[in-house]
This record gives sequence, C-alpha cells and structure tokens, in this order.
Amino acid sequence: GESVGLHLPTLSVQEGDNSIINCAYSNSASDYFIWYKQESGKGPQFIIDIRSNMDKRQGQRVTVLLNKTVKHLSLQIAATQPGDSAVYFCAETRGQGNLIFGKGTKLSVKP
Amino acid sequence: DTGVSQNPRHKITKRGQNVTFRCDPISEHNRLYWYRQTLGQGPEFLTYFQNEAQLEKSRLLSDRFSAERPKGSFSTLEIQRTEQGDSAMYLCASSGTSGGPTDTQYFGPGTRLTVL
Repeated sequence: GESVGLHLPTLSVQEGDNSIINCAYSNSASDYFIWYKQESGKGPQFIIDIRSNMDKRQGQRVTVLLNKTVKHLSLQIAATQPGDSAVYFCAETRGQGNLIFGKGTKLSVKP
Repeated sequence: DTGVSQNPRHKITKRGQNVTFRCDPISEHNRLYWYRQTLGQGPEFLTYFQNEAQLEKSRLLSDRFSAERPKGSFSTLEIQRTEQGDSAMYLCASSGTSGGPTDTQYFGPGTRLTVL
C-alpha cells in the first residue's frame, strides 16, 4: 500500500560528521512533508518542514531536500552531536491534515 | 509550559476495563489530532478535530474508541473494553495558527497504555 518509508532503519555516525537520513514517499499528491525527531519515551519533536513547491529548506544545522521527480526526501544534519541521537521520522500530508509517518530511522552518534 | 500536555503519562489496566486519556492542546490551536504509536513504528493517525467538530476518523478507530472535544479546547480519548492489542503510546498533537492542514503539528509527550 501507499506509505512513507525509509531506506535505512539505523544510521551510525561519528560526532562532528554530517548525517543524511533518507525517505521515500509514494503518493505524488502529497503536498507537505515534515521531519520529526523522537527521543525515547517522548513525543515527536518538529524539526523542519517543506512544501511541495520547494526543493530545499534550511534550518539551524538541518536541511531538508525534496526531489519530487523520484519522490524522495532527505534530512541533512550538519556537525552531528550526541544530542542528535534519536529516531527520525519523515511524514507527509495530502491535504487532509492527518500526517502519514514512515517507520523511522534510528540515528546513533558515536563520541 | 505552553506545549501540548497529556494525562496520564502512563496507564496500566486489565483487559476489559475502560480507560480515558486527556489532551490539552497549545492554547488557541484549533486543530487537535490523536495518533497511536506501537513499538518500533511511526505514529498512526486516529482522528482529528477542528474546534469541537470531529472531521475525520481512521479505520483504526474501532467502535470501542471514542474521542470528544466538547468545548473546542481539551480532548478526551476513551477506549472501552480494552484489549491487549490496544497497548501502545497514544499521542496528541495540535496545530492551527491559520487553521489549515499544513500548519505544523506539535506533539505532546504521549500516554503509554499497557493492557494486561
């Protein structure tokens, strides 16, 4: 069925390196995409979003890239820190408002 | 704290009992969402409200589940005759500075339900 998914379930990076987390989506009608960070025992925390009329958006240490041609979304984290260790979810919405989440990628940062 | 709050944070109940969870959204947010998250999975949409109106319900929301938002502020989610399969984290989110579907959803800490 249609779903937002992730290429890698786990990602381990060295502190200070850049991290790239990928996400594939299947519905070309999706118009809004969001990345959330979830730490153990906590609710998802908003990181950054992007609308379908954009290709790139930058925040503080994070960049989201959207490639509508191949239905691919990525989250880049610059200078990854131990505090970035968490599960990262991409989510999409198709105009109804309810978010459709993927399974998540667990990011581990090695000191 | 002006974020989304949920109570209780943890609930342990026996199969067949009824449970009720409460969500207090960010003040003045007009949209409120309920999601369910099982271990290792992403949150799954259950239902949402715009003000006091329940506008959409997922097929995941069986007849044993009911949600209300009577005054357009806080919301409750009740599960009747709980089953072990209901064990999950129940997340609430709110959004709505413009009232549209692309307003950022901010999540609460969740209520973890364990059904024995």
